[in-house]
Amino acid sequence: QITLKESGPTLVKPTQTLTLTCTFSGFSLSTSGVGVGWIRQPPGKAPEWLALIYWNDDKPYSPSLRSRLTITKDTSKNQVVLTMTNMDPVDTATYYCIHNLHPTAGDDAFDIWGQGTMVTVSS
Amino acid sequence: QAVLTQPASLSASPGASASLTCTLRSGINVGTYRIYWYQQKPGSPPQYLLRYKSDSDKQQGSGVPSRFSGSKDASANAGILLISGLQSEDEADYYCVIWHSSAWVFGGGTKLTVL
Repeated sequence: QITLKESGPTLVKPTQTLTLTCTFSGFSLSTSGVGVGWIRQPPGKAPEWLALIYWNDDKPYSPSLRSRLTITKDTSKNQVVLTMTNMDPVDTATYYCIHNLHPTAGDDAFDIWGQGTMVTVSS
Repeated sequence: QAVLTQPASLSASPGASASLTCTLRSGINVGTYRIYWYQQKPGSPPQYLLRYKSDSDKQQGSGVPSRFSGSKDASANAGILLISGLQSEDEADYYCVIWHSSAWVFGGGTKLTVL
């Protein structure tokens, strides 16, 4: 059974850097085709894709946020970390960790989601 | 103009069918895209329903009932999520998604009310 759990601060100040950790189980990021990513959803709005990281260290990013995002993996710890710099109140959202397969490996939907972690940006 | 446009809301009666549309921006041909559909209920993360590109390229999410199905309307340049035999538990927000210009893009979502 695949599970993912997000962790990180619930409150950050404007201009600070946000660091979120996704800890997962039920699969390995060293397995060919496997990916983990991040999606956020501001209150009352649609989700927005942020970034993915695949088993081969391929890292697609949202073009509009690329300059602020970094995604890394620690295969031995079953963790993926997302950092977002220069946080602003508009970045207030629930941040979800998701499981994904590379399109060459099967259905590349966001098939499993974590429960999400709410991050508020305020001074 | 947004890449994906969904009606903000839709109402339908229990037992009826509901067609949720996802219109692609002019210049983006629906025929070339896989369209993914997600359902989100209040307080929960979105859940994957299905993807549809064509009758030969489609996939149902794990455990998703067959009364959820996908199609396209090429004349409207739109993807469609059809929900038949509506149940009260289908009341939720529905989002369409495509991979476009090296990014995953979400539609604005449709709030489906079953009453």
